[in-house]
Amino acid sequence: AQSVTQPDIHITVSEGASLELRCNYSYGATPYLFWYVQSPGQGLQLLLKYFSGDTLVQGIKGFEAEFKRSQSSFNLRKPSVHWSDAAEYFCAVGARNRDDKIIFGKGTRLHILP
Amino acid sequence: NAGVTQTPKFQVLKTGQSMTLQCAQDMNHEYMSWYRQDPGMGLRLIHYSVGAGITDQGEVPNGYNVSRSTTEDFPLRLLSAAPSQTSVYFCASSYDRGRDYGYTFGSGTRLTVV
Repeated sequence: AQSVTQPDIHITVSEGASLELRCNYSYGATPYLFWYVQSPGQGLQLLLKYFSGDTLVQGIKGFEAEFKRSQSSFNLRKPSVHWSDAAEYFCAVGARNRDDKIIFGKGTRLHILP
Repeated sequence: NAGVTQTPKFQVLKTGQSMTLQCAQDMNHEYMSWYRQDPGMGLRLIHYSVGAGITDQGEVPNGYNVSRSTTEDFPLRLLSAAPSQTSVYFCASSYDRGRDYGYTFGSGTRLTVV
């Protein structure tokens, strides 16, 4: 079965600074990989996903993520954060087996300093 | 399209009571799942379904039942509510694996068991 680890519980960056949120997964083959964002009191919104092919994936709101098979990682990046990016971010991994499911990490809460 | 609709949005139960959280989607998605979200725990999978008539257990299934009699609906039943089931519950749905794979989430049900 797959698993996912987000090593950072909280991250604080200044507005305008670059951002990288870490995600490591465990799975025996190439998985589906996702990043979701949750604003306070809201549901989850899909930012981007890796399916196959190009390992650098572009998403909404200026986010991108890079799949690195050798490191079992799928880190989320943004070159310049905005105050509205303050939220909780979840990495998730899905198996390519029909009977399997999508498992989420515990999340990283992003704080933005003005 | 309404997307994924969850009802109710808020609910307070007494210990030992039973109830059903409703989830409906109008996107003809094959896959549906129930997650619970607790502080510091991320989203944990309760039950999931890969199609009508097919359900399976996730990470934390105890105390919950599901059924999938139609493609559109995936209700979650709490058999005898306990304070440990106080949580925010999210229903999600997705197309089958392929380029459109990835969950769309409902807005959540906040459940308090007293």
